[in-house]
Amino acid sequence: EPEVTQTPSHQVTQMGQEVILRCVPISNHLYFYWYRQILGQKVEFLVSFYNNEISEKSEIFDDQFSVERPDGSNFTLKIRSTKLEDSAMYFCASSVSGFNYEQYFGPGTRLTVT
Amino acid sequence: AQTVTQSQPEMSVQEAETVTLSCTYDTSESDYYLFWYKQPPSRQMILVIRQEAYKQQNATENRFSVNFQKAAKSFSLKISDSQLGDAAMYFCANAGGTSYGKLTFGQGTILTVHP
Repeated sequence: EPEVTQTPSHQVTQMGQEVILRCVPISNHLYFYWYRQILGQKVEFLVSFYNNEISEKSEIFDDQFSVERPDGSNFTLKIRSTKLEDSAMYFCASSVSGFNYEQYFGPGTRLTVT
Repeated sequence: AQTVTQSQPEMSVQEAETVTLSCTYDTSESDYYLFWYKQPPSRQMILVIRQEAYKQQNATENRFSVNFQKAAKSFSLKISDSQLGDAAMYFCANAGGTSYGKLTFGQGTILTVHP
């Protein structure tokens, strides 16, 4: 069964450093998403991406964040200058279509900022 | 804006018994979908069940069923014949019609299953 994959599973970085989180969505999916979950809290939407551009983003997704689909298979989330409060689990998800279709989630990347 | 509220931080159930997890939501969308996701200790998000708002019939997936009350904006999950593997965090979520599938999640309910 096809699945969404994410690398790395765990990333430790120092405050102020740039990190890139990688995702490989399911191959025939057209909509891509990033969510984050701070430990013990609910899952929060960051950004959705369709047709090679951001379709929607949350207030969390400020200028420090960016996404791209560099090669037609990977979907990346970049945090330019990490802060302590960026420590969280980051989930990538993909969907065949928009809101009326199931989003398949990857296993997540745990980001720890020290 | 959409909101999802799960008022039960924790629930417990005996193996083989039935448990119901509550969820209420608010949305201005006329067309939307509702979901229950399961998050076991591995933290992987797994879709349990989904409900289209335009359908009056409650969704069912094996031991999992929902009670969708559209007027009351309520969407509860019933787990029948609970199994030890059902122990997890359960999130209720809403996706609205005018968005590109953005999911709004509730705070989650931790379900413990006692043998």
